[in-house]
Amino acid sequence: AQSVTQPDIHITVSEGASLELRCNYSYGATPYLFWYVQSPGQGLQLLLKYFSGDTLVQGIKGFEAEFKRSQSSFNLRKPSVHWSDAAEYFCAVTPNFGNEKLTFGTGTRLTIIP
Amino acid sequence: DAGVIQSPRHEVTEMGQEVTLRCKPISGHDYLFWYRQTMMRGLELLIYFNNNVPIDDSGMPEDRFSAKMPNASFSTLKIQPSEPRDSAVYFCASRTGLAGGFFGPGTRLTVL
Repeated sequence: AQSVTQPDIHITVSEGASLELRCNYSYGATPYLFWYVQSPGQGLQLLLKYFSGDTLVQGIKGFEAEFKRSQSSFNLRKPSVHWSDAAEYFCAVTPNFGNEKLTFGTGTRLTIIP
Repeated sequence: DAGVIQSPRHEVTEMGQEVTLRCKPISGHDYLFWYRQTMMRGLELLIYFNNNVPIDDSGMPEDRFSAKMPNASFSTLKIQPSEPRDSAVYFCASRTGLAGGFFGPGTRLTVL
């Protein structure tokens, strides 16, 4: 069965610093990969997705993610975080043959300090 | 577009009562999903519909849970009878194609 691992439960970074959130998946083929953000009391918002092609994908709010097949990873990055980026971030995966079920990671909570 | 609309946003009920959660998907979206989020289990897919037809309900925890989608613009998730362990945030999401899904703001359910 497919699975998603987000090894960091909580990350704290200073405003203006760079950010990288880790995501590893376990699946036999290359799945569809997603990153979502959830602000407190809100639903999830899609940041970006990877289906195929260029392994570096750009998303909203200045985020990007890089798919690395050799490492089974899809890490999320941002060169300079803003206080408004404080939220919970979820990586998700679904098989690439039309399965509609998204498997979510456990999430990484991001705290921004001034 | 108003996005995915869920009601109520908060629900507090007593054990044994019936609870009905409502969702209005984004117009034109042909997939609708119901998720549950808890601290212990994270985000779980309960059931999803395609063109108003339930496709996979394997995530529905028990027979106490049921979901319907009578038309393309409305879906309900019902819990009868409710139990304290059903307390969670329930999300509805909709999409078309492979967009990944647009989530509603959720319904926070508390069962006393």
